[in-house]
Amino acid sequence: GIQVEQSPPDLILQEGANSTLRCNFSDSVNNLQWFHQNPWGQLINLFYIPSGTKQNGRLSATTVATERYSLLYISSSQTTDSGVYFCAVERDSYNTDKLIFGTGTRLQVFP
Amino acid sequence: NAGVTQTPKFQVLKTGQSMTLQCAQDMNHEYMSWYRQDPGMGLRLIHYSVGAGITDQGEVPNGYNVSRSTTEDFPLRLLSAAPSQTSVYFCASSYIGATEAFFGQGTRLTVV
Repeated sequence: GIQVEQSPPDLILQEGANSTLRCNFSDSVNNLQWFHQNPWGQLINLFYIPSGTKQNGRLSATTVATERYSLLYISSSQTTDSGVYFCAVERDSYNTDKLIFGTGTRLQVFP
Repeated sequence: NAGVTQTPKFQVLKTGQSMTLQCAQDMNHEYMSWYRQDPGMGLRLIHYSVGAGITDQGEVPNGYNVSRSTTEDFPLRLLSAAPSQTSVYFCASSYIGATEAFFGQGTRLTVV
């Protein structure tokens, strides 16, 4: 099956710093999503981004499908950004509808 | 519009007990799925359904049963709970095809 690798596994930042999270995948995909799991365990949709670039406030994401990677940018980080960030992909195959998750990047932002 | 609703939020079971985790969505999504999340790991797919009456196995289906009698509901059954099933369970739904998936708030299950 498709492999999803996220890096770095852990990231510690001071408030105000910028960061880049990476997601590599081993096969063509037709669906890619970024999620934030907050300290209470809730999964929050950040971006649905199978290709191209999107921005939402301090967060932006870029997926280069032809090179099989996606990047999540966090600018001016805040303590509320802490948690685990997951990338999930769906393989580009007819009607598989199976989201496969990476193991996540754990982000800690300190004041 | 509640989205994806999971009940209960927390549950403790004794080994060998059975229970059903409930999942309901009000977005008329055809596709629903169940995942489990273990410490330090991403989510792994247990079972999924592409519509009422249709279910299939995911990556880790052993010990779990599902059924899909309506579009809205997709319960997950543990017939004989084992400590290895201690985990956090998430239900998700989406339209068929490469579309955005939405997740419930999770059920934290402990089997002692």
